[in-house]
Amino acid sequence: AQRVTQPEKLLSVFKGAPVELKCNYSYSGSPELFWYVQYSRQRLQLLLRHISRESIKGFTADLNKGETSFHLKKPFAQEEDSAMYYCALRRGNTPLVFGKGTRLSVIA
Amino acid sequence: GAVVSQHPSWVICKSGTSVKIECRSLDFQATTMFWYRQFPKQSLMLMATSNEGSKATYEQGVEKDKFLINHASLTLSTLTVTSAHPEDSSFYICSAHDAGTDAREQFFGPGTRLTVL
Repeated sequence: AQRVTQPEKLLSVFKGAPVELKCNYSYSGSPELFWYVQYSRQRLQLLLRHISRESIKGFTADLNKGETSFHLKKPFAQEEDSAMYYCALRRGNTPLVFGKGTRLSVIA
Repeated sequence: GAVVSQHPSWVICKSGTSVKIECRSLDFQATTMFWYRQFPKQSLMLMATSNEGSKATYEQGVEKDKFLINHASLTLSTLTVTSAHPEDSSFYICSAHDAGTDAREQFFGPGTRLTVL
C-alpha cells in the first residue's frame, strides 16, 4: 500500500533560518512525489513535483529512493512561507495520497 | 493554472436532511474528479474517484449509498451527502485533472464546510 509520512505536525523556525520539512514514503514501485501548500484561508496548491526538479519560491526537494524520502528544503525562511505543507504521492494517474501535513510557522 | 470551483462554500443543515455539493472545472474539461474529506487539523482523505459518464469508484470504508456522486458532464461533479448526521460534519474538497493538457497535476477546489446539527 502507498503511504506518506510527515513526522512533524508543527515546525517553527526563525526568519532567515534554514527549513527542512520531512517526508518519507512507502511504495514498491516508482512513485511521483509532490509537495502541496495551503496558505491561510486559501485552497491547496501545488508547490513542486519531483519530476520537474525545479525550485519554487526558493524551495527544493530531492527524491531519495534509497531512503524513500522527499524532504522539502529552503535555505532562508520567510514569514510568508508560514503555511500548511502536504507531501503527496501518486502512481500513474491514480489520485494523490497525502501525508498528514506539517504546519510551518516562521517567526520574525 | 486551471480553476476548480465548489458550491456552496459552507452549509449548515439539520440531521437527516441531504446536502448536495457541486464541483466545477471552470476553464478546462475534467474526465476525472476526486472527492476528499478533511477533518480539523488532519490530512485529506480520498473518498472517491468520479468518472464522467460512469459510476464513481469509492475508497474502502466509504458508503456509496450515503455519499452519492454524479459526474454528468466534463465540467461538473456533484457529491450528495444523504441523511446527514453530525459525524458527517467535515470539510469536503474536490479536485480535478485537466484532461486536455498535462494530466498529472490535480487542481483543487476551495472546499465546502458542512456542519450537521
